[in-house]
Amino acid sequence: EVQLVESGGGLVQPGGSLRLSCSASGFTFSSYVMHWVRQAPGKGLEFVSAISTNGGSTYYADSVKGRFTISRDNSKNTLYLQMSSLRAEDTAVYYCVRATSRSAFDIWGQGTMVTVSS
Amino acid sequence: AIQMTQSPSSLSTSVGDRVTITCRASQGIRNDLGWYQQKPGKAPKLLIYAASSLQSGVPSRFSGSGSGTDFTLTISSLQPEDFATYYCLQDYNYPYSFGQGTKLEIK
Repeated sequence: EVQLVESGGGLVQPGGSLRLSCSASGFTFSSYVMHWVRQAPGKGLEFVSAISTNGGSTYYADSVKGRFTISRDNSKNTLYLQMSSLRAEDTAVYYCVRATSRSAFDIWGQGTMVTVSS
Repeated sequence: AIQMTQSPSSLSTSVGDRVTITCRASQGIRNDLGWYQQKPGKAPKLLIYAASSLQSGVPSRFSGSGSGTDFTLTISSLQPEDFATYYCLQDYNYPYSFGQGTKLEIK
């Protein structure tokens, strides 16, 4: 079964750091561009970051640029999002997402909740 | 960054209705647009990609059209399981951007 499972969410204080992980199974992870998308409570979806198949190219939303770092380990079938200098507005469910060759987001994880609060 | 303007933000509809949701891009994005359905507490689900291609397993009552800056998602005959929130997503260039969402509510 094709599956993405996120982990690493939790409660963190403003200014703190957190690393999210996304474990992929059921498909050739190294062949797919991967993304992070977030959704603040009661709000819409927001693109966060993307990474190419070999990790050589990365992309970020302006709202997280310079604070978040996306990476992947194809030998471990795992995607990461290192988040630092966290703010209250980063509070959201974070989804790991696979993109097809047509850039369609066809597989989504169940999401992991990040809460930034003192 | 490309802005996606989606309308309406909410729609009160009935089972059997024909529903149309639109998305407008702030610049041309060819046909690089997808439509997603999200139900409360669940991850979004891909419905349409490349503006008009139906994702495998999605009922044929869903259809998409458009190119350039104006796009439409149509549900030909609304079913009870279709009451959800719908989002468009431009995947033309990074940073990708979603529309604000359209919530379909039961009239």
